Amino acid sequence: EIVMTQSPATLSVSPGERATLSCRASQSLSSKLAWYQQKPGQAPRLLIYGATTRATGTPARFSGSGSGTEFTLTISSLQSEDFAVYYCQQYNHWPPYTFGQGTKLEMK
Amino acid sequence: QLQLQESGPGLVEPAETLSLICTVSGGSISRSPYFWAWIRQPPGKGLEWIGSMYYRGSTFYNPSLKSRVTISIDTSKNQFSLRLSSVTAADTAVYYCARHSYDSNTDGDYVGYWGQGTLVTVSS
Repeated sequence: EIVMTQSPATLSVSPGERATLSCRASQSLSSKLAWYQQKPGQAPRLLIYGATTRATGTPARFSGSGSGTEFTLTISSLQSEDFAVYYCQQYNHWPPYTFGQGTKLEMK
Repeated sequence: QLQLQESGPGLVEPAETLSLICTVSGGSISRSPYFWAWIRQPPGKGLEWIGSMYYRGSTFYNPSLKSRVTISIDTSKNQFSLRLSSVTAADTAVYYCARHSYDSNTDGDYVGYWGQGTLVTVSS
């Protein structure tokens, strides 16, 4: 089973600043990695797939990078609606599909 | 626009079987070459993939749950379902139904669409 490790667990950033979230895989994923945003009481929402491709409706301030075992989600200028929990998920080695434990992005 | 909606009991007794249905609207399961999935999230915790079923019938389960899980599709009702047997308190979670989407650039399937989720509590 592929283990996905996200860091940090909690990230405190001020609105307007840049946020960088990391995701590491225990084995190479090529580029088969997705990022999701989850707000309290809501289902996760797809942001990025293929490590770098923004899903329909994802604002341009969100960008994904990386390949292999190291991946990054960057939010260039944080808006109030971006404060949420973010999960990465691998879809290269399955079953099972596996998720990271999440990074909580909170307002500083 | 594709929409998924979970339904089923919110309370299940220990040792019983949890049964949920996902109703799909805005698209036909039988004419959609995708995987249909169940994913769960215990309160305050992360996401766990339970299993997925291809529209033609192939099923893939999380090895940690495989002995207790059955996913099936009813194309006549445009629904798919989850059965999880011998539940314990550890199975208390929000259960999401979902649909994979195909990424042609990487030849892989990620979760593209999610239902709103339904909380199932295991308790006597």
